[in-house]
Amino acid sequence: LAKTTQPISMDSYEGQEVNITCSHNNIATNDYITWYQQFPSQGPRFIIQGYKTKVTNEVASLFIPADRKSSTLSLPRVSLSDTAVYYCLVSRADSWGKLQFGAGTQVVVTP
Amino acid sequence: DSGVTQTPKHLITATGQRVTLRCSPRSGDLSVYWYQQSLDQGLQFLIQYYNGEERAKGNILERFSAQQFPDLHSELNLSSLELGDSALYFCASSGGLAGGPDSYEQYFGPGTRLTVT
Repeated sequence: LAKTTQPISMDSYEGQEVNITCSHNNIATNDYITWYQQFPSQGPRFIIQGYKTKVTNEVASLFIPADRKSSTLSLPRVSLSDTAVYYCLVSRADSWGKLQFGAGTQVVVTP
Repeated sequence: DSGVTQTPKHLITATGQRVTLRCSPRSGDLSVYWYQQSLDQGLQFLIQYYNGEERAKGNILERFSAQQFPDLHSELNLSSLELGDSALYFCASSGGLAGGPDSYEQYFGPGTRLTVT
């Protein structure tokens, strides 16, 4: 599976937009890009998934350029409760849902 | 609330012992996954079951085993416990076709915190 690289940490203020970029240079044709959020001592929570272009849901947007070698998770107008670790994952369609988590990005939102 | 339940929430046991962790998936989900999260190893995939059958294996030790029952609940058995097995163990479930893109939208339970002393 393609290795992912994302920032270790990011700081933001309430109300701002947070963009986390993940690099996955070796992504394969069958791979999907999935983002999860995790609060301390809780299970990860699915945020969004995409294959190409742009995907938006009520929580976030995911931007994927044409070459798919990177992706950007956009969190609009963050609040204190968005302080969490965000994981970018690349998953292959034939891997039976096996999620491979990296170190993630610790996002800290302050007032 | 993800709809996935795990019991117990906390477990404290001694080295060499055996424990069983239990997971009930969301209603209708056929796939169940087990993950281990420790400070030094991060969040690691252990094993996956789909409708009672093992489908994928990750870095699961031979001392660990799992199964999924006809009612779709799953159990993770950890034996000959070592100090290094202390971790948070998460169960997750997903719907859709096994192995399809829907399988990456997983719903995680609250976890079982295992402490081996």
